Amino acid sequence: KQEVTQIPAALSVPEGENLVLNCSFTDSAIYNLQWFRQDPGKGLTSLLLIQSSQREQTSGRLNASLDKSSGRSTLYIAASQPGDSATYLCAVKGGGNKLTFGTGTQLKVEL
Amino acid sequence: EAGVAQSPRYKIIEKRQSVAFWCNPISGHATLYWYQQILGQGPKLLIQFQNNGVVDDSQLPKDRFSAERLKGVDSTLKIQPAKLEDSAVYLCASSPPVLDEQFFGPGTRLTVL
Repeated sequence: KQEVTQIPAALSVPEGENLVLNCSFTDSAIYNLQWFRQDPGKGLTSLLLIQSSQREQTSGRLNASLDKSSGRSTLYIAASQPGDSATYLCAVKGGGNKLTFGTGTQLKVEL
Repeated sequence: EAGVAQSPRYKIIEKRQSVAFWCNPISGHATLYWYQQILGQGPKLLIQFQNNGVVDDSQLPKDRFSAERLKGVDSTLKIQPAKLEDSAVYLCASSPPVLDEQFFGPGTRLTVL
């Protein structure tokens, strides 16, 4: 059974800092890995999707890497802003086209 | 394009009552998902439809939960009777035939008293 862990559970940083969120998964037989953002009271917004054959994806200030063999992914956020404050979730797609989510990292970027 | 629509946004009921949630996916998306997200946890898949057929309902508590997608478009998720532990956000998502990406609606926050 796939298990996804995200560390840290919560993170508070000053504005402008670069930061890294971590995601690990137990079963390396995945099709892709997706990073989502969730704002309070809102649904999930897809940030980046990395196929199993890819090593990384970039979108603006966000960069996600994937090391499938070691079961790890990182989300790098450059020059953090207060508007980046949200919960960040990673999810892996395994057999049966099923997404398994981590419990999320709650990020707060302070002025 | 319009996103995934869900209603209601909030619902408060007493235990043993019934409740229904509605989802309208993005036009042209054949696959529809219902997730349950308990506070402090990641979403957990309840059921996945491909058009109007069920692909995966292995984590759906079938003694009290049911879902349907009769015409392969809109879907409803029902809980009858509700329990306290059903308090959660119920998320609907859809994905197009080719892309792997799932697009989520705003969710319905259910509180069972």
